[in-house]
Amino acid sequence: AQKITQTQPGMFVQEKEAVTLDCTYDTSDQSYGLFWYKQPSSGEMIFLIYQGSYDEQNATEGRYSLNFQKARKSANLVISASQLGDSAMYFCAMRVFAGGTSYGKLTFGQGTILTVHP
Amino acid sequence: DVKVTQSSRYLVKRTGEKVFLECVQDMDHENMFWYRQDPGLGLRLIYFSYDVKMKEKGDIPEGYSVSREKKERFSLILESASTNQTSMYLCASSFSTWARGATMQFFGPGTRLTVL
Repeated sequence: AQKITQTQPGMFVQEKEAVTLDCTYDTSDQSYGLFWYKQPSSGEMIFLIYQGSYDEQNATEGRYSLNFQKARKSANLVISASQLGDSAMYFCAMRVFAGGTSYGKLTFGQGTILTVHP
Repeated sequence: DVKVTQSSRYLVKRTGEKVFLECVQDMDHENMFWYRQDPGLGLRLIYFSYDVKMKEKGDIPEGYSVSREKKERFSLILESASTNQTSMYLCASSFSTWARGATMQFFGPGTRLTVL
């Protein structure tokens, strides 16, 4: 079974500063993918960034980057130059590729609420 | 753009009522999912479907059933609603693939269900 742990229920950051949201995972599978989603107060889940377990480079998407440390089983999200609009709930999720067609099932962490102060 | 729609944003039902939550996607995705979201617990998978009339239990299927008669539509059914089913319900869809890629799930806006 897979497990995702986000140990920070809430985080605060000053506008324009960088912030790191922690995510650790547990799986016995060697092939897996890690996702980060953002959920604003409107409720819709927005995909941010993806990292495959065999990807050699850390993923980056604009102001988002993923600090992937495979040996430590961590996949922390780094948001640079925080903006007020970054205030939201952030979820880390994992999908394993256990052979055959993947139905794309995701296992989610508990989420971290990020508040950006002006 | 992929669009996943859910029939209601807010719903209030009474204990014992039968409740239907509808989800429709317009991108011809094979897979569809129902999650519930509770504070401190994140999203938990209730059921998913990988084809018409095909379904599999997720992590918390008790008290729920699903129906997928058409590819674009996936319904979540609470046969007899209870107060502990008060929650946010999120529907999602994705392509099936053999590839190890970022086949992310696309989510609907959610239905906040209150059972009194």
